[in-house]
Amino acid sequence: DGGITQSPKYLFRKEGQNVTLSCEQNLNHDAMYWYRQDPGQGLRLIYYSQIVNDFQKGDIAEGYSVSREKKESFPLTVTSAQKNPTAFYLCASIGGRTDTQYFGPGTRLTVL
Amino acid sequence: KNQVEQSPQSLIILEGKNCTLQCNYTVSPFSNLRWYKQDTGRGPVSLTIMTFSENTKSNGRYTATLDADTKQSSLHITASQLSDSASYICVVSAGTGRRALTFGSGTRLQVQP
Repeated sequence: DGGITQSPKYLFRKEGQNVTLSCEQNLNHDAMYWYRQDPGQGLRLIYYSQIVNDFQKGDIAEGYSVSREKKESFPLTVTSAQKNPTAFYLCASIGGRTDTQYFGPGTRLTVL
Repeated sequence: KNQVEQSPQSLIILEGKNCTLQCNYTVSPFSNLRWYKQDTGRGPVSLTIMTFSENTKSNGRYTATLDADTKQSSLHITASQLSDSASYICVVSAGTGRRALTFGSGTRLQVQP
């Protein structure tokens, strides 16, 4: 059963804590992405990785960090430096003939 | 600055009716335009992809059009069903580079019985 999985589906964090969101894909895609989605706004790019052991900042990278040690995995850490972390986080990968982005089911992060 | 504007922001229709969602973009250079469907609390799923040379593409009850001259696209939904209730997102790709995607904020469609 191929696709992108994200965990957990819901995550609650106290202020000042770091949390890590998981993203795994078995589509054999090289490129992976993290987006943040807020109500009434388009998806905004946090980080992306074109290949293992390499990643670049997106438009809103401050307060976030990532790693890409394996092709299948692209975890996102939301640090305490992120001032407004409550949002819906989407992971995606690109592949196929039409270069389509495939999205995971998302993680909803709430800061208490 | 590359931008994608979608209208209306939200729409309520009765089951069985048709509707059309709009997408205007100012993205350059243009590579392709995609429409995604996003159910509440889920990740977006691709409906159609259109390149510069295509002006109509269908996927079941969904028909997308593209006018590259006026930089407008529309998504027409025929004979709506309750399961069509979702957000529909227009995404425009600007040339090369896999980070070159600009997302619209989406149209939230609610189909009522």
